[in-house]
Amino acid sequence: AQSVSQHNHHVILSEAASLELGCNYSYGGTVNLFWYVQYPGQHLQLLLKYFSGDPLVKGIKGFEAEFIKSKFSFNLRKPSVQWSDTAEYFCAVNARNQAGTALIFGKGTTLSVSS
Amino acid sequence: GAVVSQHPSWVICKSGTSVKIECRSLDFQATTMFWYRQFPKQSLMLMATSNEGSKATYEQGVEKDKFLINHASLTLSTLTVTSAHPEDSSFYICSAPQLQGFNTEAFFGQGTRLTVV
Repeated sequence: AQSVSQHNHHVILSEAASLELGCNYSYGGTVNLFWYVQYPGQHLQLLLKYFSGDPLVKGIKGFEAEFIKSKFSFNLRKPSVQWSDTAEYFCAVNARNQAGTALIFGKGTTLSVSS
Repeated sequence: GAVVSQHPSWVICKSGTSVKIECRSLDFQATTMFWYRQFPKQSLMLMATSNEGSKATYEQGVEKDKFLINHASLTLSTLTVTSAHPEDSSFYICSAPQLQGFNTEAFFGQGTRLTVV
């Protein structure tokens, strides 16, 4: 069965600090990988996704993630966070080449950015 | 990207009543939709997979008689919380996958906040 582990439960940063949120997954086959953000009181928004190709993926709002297959990891990064990045971040995975499979989510990481 | 619309956005109901939540894919057809539940400050937990024209598949621990799912058309799935109780209060989110080549991207509704009083 697939599972997703996010190691950081709550991250507190000052504006302009760099961010890295860890995500590891467990699955026997090839996967698609996603990062979603949920701002307070809002619904999920896709930050970025990895299907195949270049393992360094760039998303919206200056976020990027790197897929390291050997480590089963897909860590999210941003060089300089802003106060508006305060939100909940979810890593998710589904099985590649299987149409209609559900996303399995990690427990989420709360990011608090102080100005 | 594709649009998934969920209705209502929030609902308050009395204990013992039933509530229906609708999930529509607006610009694509979805033979499969997923229903998730999110408790405050927790992750999304998959409840069930809704299959057009056939029975839903429920995850372990989810009561199928309590959470009735109907997927009557290629663009609409409904979740009915029957005989709701305060412990059913939660944020319910639907998702519809769209096949892109060999890969699937999921599009999410805006969620329904259910409060049972």
